[in-house]
Amino acid sequence: KAGVTQTPRYLIKTRGQQVTLSCSPISGHRSVSWYQQTPGQGLQFLFEYFSETQRNKGNFPGRFSGRQFSNSRSEMNVSTLELGDSALYLCASSFSSVLNTEAFFGQGTRLTVV
Amino acid sequence: KNQVEQSPQSLIILEGKNCTLQCNYTVSPFSNLRWYKQDTGRGPVSLTIMTFSENTKSNGRYTATLDADTKQSSLHITASQLSDSASYICVVWHGILTGGGNKLTFGTGTQLKVEL
Repeated sequence: KAGVTQTPRYLIKTRGQQVTLSCSPISGHRSVSWYQQTPGQGLQFLFEYFSETQRNKGNFPGRFSGRQFSNSRSEMNVSTLELGDSALYLCASSFSSVLNTEAFFGQGTRLTVV
Repeated sequence: KNQVEQSPQSLIILEGKNCTLQCNYTVSPFSNLRWYKQDTGRGPVSLTIMTFSENTKSNGRYTATLDADTKQSSLHITASQLSDSASYICVVWHGILTGGGNKLTFGTGTQLKVEL
């Protein structure tokens, strides 16, 4: 059974640009959640999508958005990139809501903003 | 303020020894607490999930405890192995379990190194 797949693995962008990251969940999983990991702030929860609807949301500005497609694949978009957005972005998939079922993480996308 | 604090920040132990990692939280209302293991350069891997009514949960050589009254959890690792070297992260969900709008707070992790 394939695990959670995130693409691309590495990305370099310039301040002010926008970026879209992709996450393909484990087959049969309906929830995809997104996280940001930085050396200074550690892991932080961005949001969760379940059956194409945003279900739970962390404390990030509106520049961070996401969506989920009917096949459960999810994309996360960051607009007007700032240097502080440089981080490892992780997604996780869960069979049901990530709130009460086990989450399986992907390898992450390493975003560098220059 | 909702916080999850872990101690120690880092720990070095000899292979074969046991160790205990601590997690204290102040979040409310509590939904569940999770322990994750994260190897360098990889995504976190779930070790245990504990709800309010659970006191102890084991996963192989890993045993987590939860005291919901004192808002403390611990992760005990028995007979440590070199492969246990990783960051261990305590995570707490807080909010109304059945609805949306729930929040997730991560601890800053304990960096464990197991040496020969």
